[in-house]
Amino acid sequence: GQQLNQSPQSMFIQEGEDVSMNCTSSSIFNTWLWYKQDPGEGPVLLIALYKAGELTSNGRLTAQFGITRKDSFLNISASIPSDVGIYFCAGLNYGGSQGNLIFGKGTKLSVKP
Amino acid sequence: NAGVTQTPKFQVLKTGQSMTLQCAQDMNHNSMYWYRQDPGMGLRLIYYSASEGTTDKGEVPNGYNVSRLNKREFSLRLESAAPSQTSVYFCASGPKGALEGYTFGSGTRLTVV
Repeated sequence: GQQLNQSPQSMFIQEGEDVSMNCTSSSIFNTWLWYKQDPGEGPVLLIALYKAGELTSNGRLTAQFGITRKDSFLNISASIPSDVGIYFCAGLNYGGSQGNLIFGKGTKLSVKP
Repeated sequence: NAGVTQTPKFQVLKTGQSMTLQCAQDMNHNSMYWYRQDPGMGLRLIYYSASEGTTDKGEVPNGYNVSRLNKREFSLRLESAAPSQTSVYFCASGPKGALEGYTFGSGTRLTVV
């Protein structure tokens, strides 16, 4: 089935630093989503992207839908301790054994105060 | 507005025991999903139900069964638990087309000894 390659797998940063992570695929997607999972909780939607080239912000988070429609990027500015968690990208794909959304394996973010 | 509710939150089973994980959503979503999350493996789809009355296998269906009891409820059953089924299980629901992604429950942490 389709796969999303998410990188990096993990990041250890100091509070105040900026963070960048990305997701790539060999397939085209028409919608990209970014989720955050806090420790001990389920993933929660952060940002949804619907057009190639689209740049969308949500507070300190900015996500971009790649021009080729095969990638997406998430940036977090001025990180704080509550940014800790696992960030998942997801591409919307209709049907198939993976359901509607294909998920990346996640980027685990740790922030040192 | 509760969203997606999963029960129980924690469970320990002995090898060979059976149990049912319950999931209910109050958002009038058509589709419901069961995922398992293991370290480094991301979210893997077990089964999904695109609409009331239908169920389909995901990537890792072996050892599991599901029931879409009505539009609100989607249960996951382990008939004979194995240590390899030790994992965190997430239920999710989504509207038709899933353009806004899925809403996840807070998870069930299952240990099979």
